[in-house]
Amino acid sequence: DAGVIQSPRHEVTEMGQEVTLRCKPISGHDYLFWYRQTMMRGLELLIYFNNNVPIDDSGMPEDRFSAKMPNASFSTLKIQPSEPRDSAVYFCASSPTGPNTEAFFGQGTRLTVV
Amino acid sequence: SQQGEEDPQALSIQEGENATMNCSYKTSINNLQWYRQNSGRGLVHLILIRSNEREKHSGRLRVTLDTSKKSSSLLITASRAADTASYFCATEPPNTGNQFYFGTGTSLTVIP
Repeated sequence: DAGVIQSPRHEVTEMGQEVTLRCKPISGHDYLFWYRQTMMRGLELLIYFNNNVPIDDSGMPEDRFSAKMPNASFSTLKIQPSEPRDSAVYFCASSPTGPNTEAFFGQGTRLTVV
Repeated sequence: SQQGEEDPQALSIQEGENATMNCSYKTSINNLQWYRQNSGRGLVHLILIRSNEREKHSGRLRVTLDTSKKSSSLLITASRAADTASYFCATEPPNTGNQFYFGTGTSLTVIP
């Protein structure tokens, strides 16, 4: 398996534009997580899915952020409209079901909003 | 917040020395995990210790867990320049369905 795949690796966009980040989890993993990493706030859990269903989105900063998982092999995180303070590295991770399992991370998408 | 905190924030040592990083957390846990992040890359899982375990080893890594103090430590022995990275602890609280809460990280620099 190629691991968790995120695209794009880098995204530069202008304030007000819509941004869509994509993630392909590891096949067979039932959990998918979206994290945001910044120097100021560290690694924050934004939302996670179990079997394609959003379980906890309490970490989503505001209504401008939305996430979907239409099937077991694909998820998106959308920001509309984007703002400069959204600049960060966004990570997707997946894990199998069961206690005491680890999370497998993608390489991240570095988003810069100018 | 359920985030943990690592201490120190930054650590610089000579190659061959041991590096110790600490993690404190706030809630009860199922397990605690340590991850490594190289600059510009995603996090990679290093080791997991369950709440009923007190110590665990993996190669040059040694992890301890004290649930009464809600703290853990990661020891890297005989450090190498390639160990230079950021290290994060992550906790999995009970009944949260595989949720992982990450600490603030320790930036380790190993000087050749």
